[in-house]
Amino acid sequence: EADIYQTPRYLVIGTGKKITLECSQTMGHDKMYWYQQDPGMELHLIHYSYGVNSTEKGDLSSESTVSRIRTEHFPLTLESARPSHTSQYLCASSELDRRNTEAFFGQGTRLTVV
Amino acid sequence: AQSVTQLDSHVSVSEGTPVLLRCNYSSSYSPSLFWYVQHPNKGLQLLLKYTSAATLVKGINGFEAEFKKSETSFHLTKPSAHMSDAAEYFCVVSDLRNQFYFGTGTSLTVIP
Repeated sequence: EADIYQTPRYLVIGTGKKITLECSQTMGHDKMYWYQQDPGMELHLIHYSYGVNSTEKGDLSSESTVSRIRTEHFPLTLESARPSHTSQYLCASSELDRRNTEAFFGQGTRLTVV
Repeated sequence: AQSVTQLDSHVSVSEGTPVLLRCNYSSSYSPSLFWYVQHPNKGLQLLLKYTSAATLVKGINGFEAEFKKSETSFHLTKPSAHMSDAAEYFCVVSDLRNQFYFGTGTSLTVIP
């Protein structure tokens, strides 16, 4: 069973609020990822990190920001939530340099901005 | 560049009949390939992965996939569908830095 945790699982919040989605893993993985998944199912990479103090933007432009101060923790922040941010957000982690290694996913956070 | 194409957005089968979910890949080198399953309101769970040790890969819950280099395919199969198999399925390829590239997903419906 994957040891990667996301909180909260569900969040309903008003427009303009600042929110932080938490993601933690206990596997010691260097690489971590945030994906956005809309109702059409497709996953879009929005942020990733190679390790502490490393953050990179993914393929899909996002107004969110991330930080990586500790190996195990990779929070995502929205400074001012908007209805267009309504989506499911999935966090994942993997080993960095070993080939054929899979990504482990959290349960996701379903965000609704009203 | 790496990419995957899932050829069917929706597949519907009757319970007890075989399942076939199709995936073609594109990769500049020997690929790492994966199939993930996602049940409603859940994260993604690894079904199986291809690591070049064997072309026929067995996964959890009776699923298996065959790597065919000549056809650049990695189709997912199961001999007999169960109601609990109804879910979304993603074919994934990774690159040398473990960047993962997802297909658009296939929604599997199992009819009782």
